[in-house]
Amino acid sequence: GIQVEQSPPDLILQEGANSTLRCNFSDSVNNLQWFHQNPWGQLINLFYIPSGTKQNGRLSATTVATERYSLLYISSSQTTDSGVYFCAAGNAGKSTFGDGTTLTVKP
Amino acid sequence: DSGVTQTPKHLITATGQRVTLRCSPRSGDLSVYWYQQSLDQGLQFLIQYYNGEERAKGNILERFSAQQFPDLHSELNLSSLELGDSALYFCASSPQHFGDGTRLSIL
Repeated sequence: GIQVEQSPPDLILQEGANSTLRCNFSDSVNNLQWFHQNPWGQLINLFYIPSGTKQNGRLSATTVATERYSLLYISSSQTTDSGVYFCAAGNAGKSTFGDGTTLTVKP
Repeated sequence: DSGVTQTPKHLITATGQRVTLRCSPRSGDLSVYWYQQSLDQGLQFLIQYYNGEERAKGNILERFSAQQFPDLHSELNLSSLELGDSALYFCASSPQHFGDGTRLSIL
């Protein structure tokens, strides 16, 4: 099956800083998503981005399908951005999740 | 609000028991996906149903089974429960729309 690796595993930032999270996947995919899991355990879909670039407020994502990686950018981070960020990649309804990046934003 | 409803929110039971988790998809969605998030295995895809038919299968144990009913709600049945089945179980009705999960604790 598809392997998904996320880096870094942990990230600590001061409020206002920018960050880049990376997701590498081992094979061609037609589904690539980024999720944020908040401290209450809710999974919030951030982006559905099998290729190209999308932006939503302070967040943006870029997937380079030919090179099998995706990047999530968080600008001007806020304490509410804290949590775990997951990347999921796959085909035909089956997605493999990475182990996540745990982001802590300090005030 | 994703529109996906999962019940119950929390479930506590003992080893060897059987439980049923329920998921109602967002209005208009025909699919239901089930996922398990445990400390040992992370987030993993279990199974997908589309309009009552099994569409894709992931790392679902033989002790687990699922079905989707004519009204499109789905049930995930977990039997002969073991301590390692303690996890957060999510369902989704599209890759972007997840429920809040059922937290299952096995004592």
